[in-house]
Amino acid sequence: DTAVSQTPKYLVTQMGNDKSIKCEQNLGHDTMYWYKQDSKKFLKIMFSYNNKELIINETVPNRFSPKSPDKAHLNLHINSLELGDSAVYFCASSQWGGLAGVRAWEQYFGPGTRLTVT
Amino acid sequence: AQTVTQSQPEMSVQEAETVTLSCTYDTSESDYYLFWYKQPPSRQMILVIRQEAYKQQNATENRFSVNFQKAAKSFSLKISDSQLGDAAMYFCAYRSANKNKGNTPLVFGKGTRLSVIA
Repeated sequence: DTAVSQTPKYLVTQMGNDKSIKCEQNLGHDTMYWYKQDSKKFLKIMFSYNNKELIINETVPNRFSPKSPDKAHLNLHINSLELGDSAVYFCASSQWGGLAGVRAWEQYFGPGTRLTVT
Repeated sequence: AQTVTQSQPEMSVQEAETVTLSCTYDTSESDYYLFWYKQPPSRQMILVIRQEAYKQQNATENRFSVNFQKAAKSFSLKISDSQLGDAAMYFCAYRSANKNKGNTPLVFGKGTRLSVIA
């Protein structure tokens, strides 16, 4: 029944490791996002995918690589983890209203993944 | 680029009283959405209320209402009859409604931590 799910919810790892976070949505949405919430609780967009295509890539180190195997999934792979990568990562999804202008405004968030790099 | 400013890092309110959280934003667009999200300690992002910029009427959801001043680019949240369960981080967020931009991500303020005193 969960609309947007993320695995794992907690991830503790050492510097230099490579890790992945998975996201799945069962809402039939065409757009998925990754947001990062830092230690000061500031939330910022990292990536946005529409129909499996990358449409937004904010200034994120290239150690972060999103992958969307299909519309319902958006995974985040992080190479060579650093202490500064410790944060909560949120996946979200939404449906575009299209050029017809149907107003589709809501984004649905996953429960977040708390990543701790030691 | 759009920015969202929440000038109150922390607020407190007595149970059953009313509190207002402030938010200002900067944009050159005329069509957009504004949101207030609640993040309790569980870290789940919960949509509290939304406002569409073309609507002059202020949005209301039960005990939550907004004061939307488009010319002043101000979007405050009023919580009436505050309850202990209202204690959380509250984030103001902006999203473009420009259909030519497709599905756009949320731009968040830095949040206001609300404490409710019994």
